[in-house]
Amino acid sequence: DQQVKQNSPSLSVQEGRISILNCDYTNSMFDYFLWYKKYPAEGPTFLISISSIKDKNEDGRFTVFLNKSAKHLSLHIVPSQPGDSAVYFCAARETSKAAGNKLTFGGGTRVLVKP
Amino acid sequence: DVKVTQSSRYLVKRTGEKVFLECVQDMDHENMFWYRQDPGLGLRLIYFSYDVKMKEKGDIPEGYSVSREKKERFSLILESASTNQTSMYLCASSFGGEEKLFFGSGTQLSVL
Repeated sequence: DQQVKQNSPSLSVQEGRISILNCDYTNSMFDYFLWYKKYPAEGPTFLISISSIKDKNEDGRFTVFLNKSAKHLSLHIVPSQPGDSAVYFCAARETSKAAGNKLTFGGGTRVLVKP
Repeated sequence: DVKVTQSSRYLVKRTGEKVFLECVQDMDHENMFWYRQDPGLGLRLIYFSYDVKMKEKGDIPEGYSVSREKKERFSLILESASTNQTSMYLCASSFGGEEKLFFGSGTQLSVL
């Protein structure tokens, strides 16, 4: 059973508008969340992260929101640019000896930004 | 910049062959990971290692083994390749307690 889910496999948005990517998780022990971006034929690259003690983190055009009670996080990209067209993965980590230092990833959302 | 290098970008193998995927990182990271990426399933963890000669099973270890004889190198082994192991394989590394992983470019493996 997937502990991290991205229910929208794809998203199309006009250049300049906002992209909103969603991610839901089931494990209440997750305490750190990350977003990765992946272009074709390249490895994922880190985009932005948030600790469970916060509800918002912002870095330039990218903002991640965390709603712990709903076990939901979202990534906002404003304004969207054609270079943002990629697959975005949500990831979560449980900080415990048993869980180790591994990340659990969602299925990904493919974003297409139209000029 | 952290560099994680995977030895092959594309590999084509036959069913039953033994396959080695190699990964090298140059930042003295303690942790190394092997994931596979499949459409709709995201990245799934196969094996990981916190130190030389140490290995831990991930979520989908069946049909795979790993080797970490040196800190910078982490190998994934398919003992007898099968068609359901056709996938994109991604190696990653990180510092001890850090959450952020650094990924290689991936190896697209096709098993015919």
